[in-house]
Amino acid sequence: EAGVAQSPRYKIIEKRQSVAFWCNPISGHATLYWYQQILGQGPKLLIQFQNNGVVDDSQLPKDRFSAERLKGVDSTLKIQPAKLEDSAVYLCASSPAGGSGYGYTFGSGTRLTVV
Amino acid sequence: QQQVKQSPQSLIVQKGGISIINCAYENTAFDYFPWYQQFPGKGPALLIAIRPDVSEKKEGRFTISFNKSAKQFSLHIMDSQPGDSATYFCAAFAYGGSQGNLIFGKGTKLSVKP
Repeated sequence: EAGVAQSPRYKIIEKRQSVAFWCNPISGHATLYWYQQILGQGPKLLIQFQNNGVVDDSQLPKDRFSAERLKGVDSTLKIQPAKLEDSAVYLCASSPAGGSGYGYTFGSGTRLTVV
Repeated sequence: QQQVKQSPQSLIVQKGGISIINCAYENTAFDYFPWYQQFPGKGPALLIAIRPDVSEKKEGRFTISFNKSAKQFSLHIMDSQPGDSATYFCAAFAYGGSQGNLIFGKGTKLSVKP
């Protein structure tokens, strides 16, 4: 079974620029998550999709972050404009269903550095 | 408040020793407690998990001990090996909104010295 694919692996941008991350979840997984992992901390949920609908975006800084999941498969997370404090690893995860903690599979993440 | 507190922040153990990482939680609605292992440059990977109706779960060299009354759980790594050197995260699953999601601790960086 193929894992969760993310790209790019690394990105360096200047503050106030925009950036986009892409995620392809495991085939058949209905739920997709974007987590932010700041250096030295645990992952923090940004947004959760069930198929192509948002079920939790309470911790997404909506003034600068946006995300979509087209056709209930791939997802894109965008930051515009970026701030220095956005430097982090952005992890995508998927699970078969959102009603339990089972079956979460994480991608390798995109490491974003904002200078 | 939905929070999982993890300690220690870092841990150094000799090869063959026992590594112990502790977590505590407040929300009694949590009903699933996984531990994740993360190597540099990789995403977290599920190591072992437990539900609150069980006090202990063992898988190979890894054991979770769960104390429901104290709202604490811990990971024990027996016969620690250099290959176990990684960052370990405890987590808890809670329903919220329409479904729920995993809440992670801050992580413990384990170094196993040969």
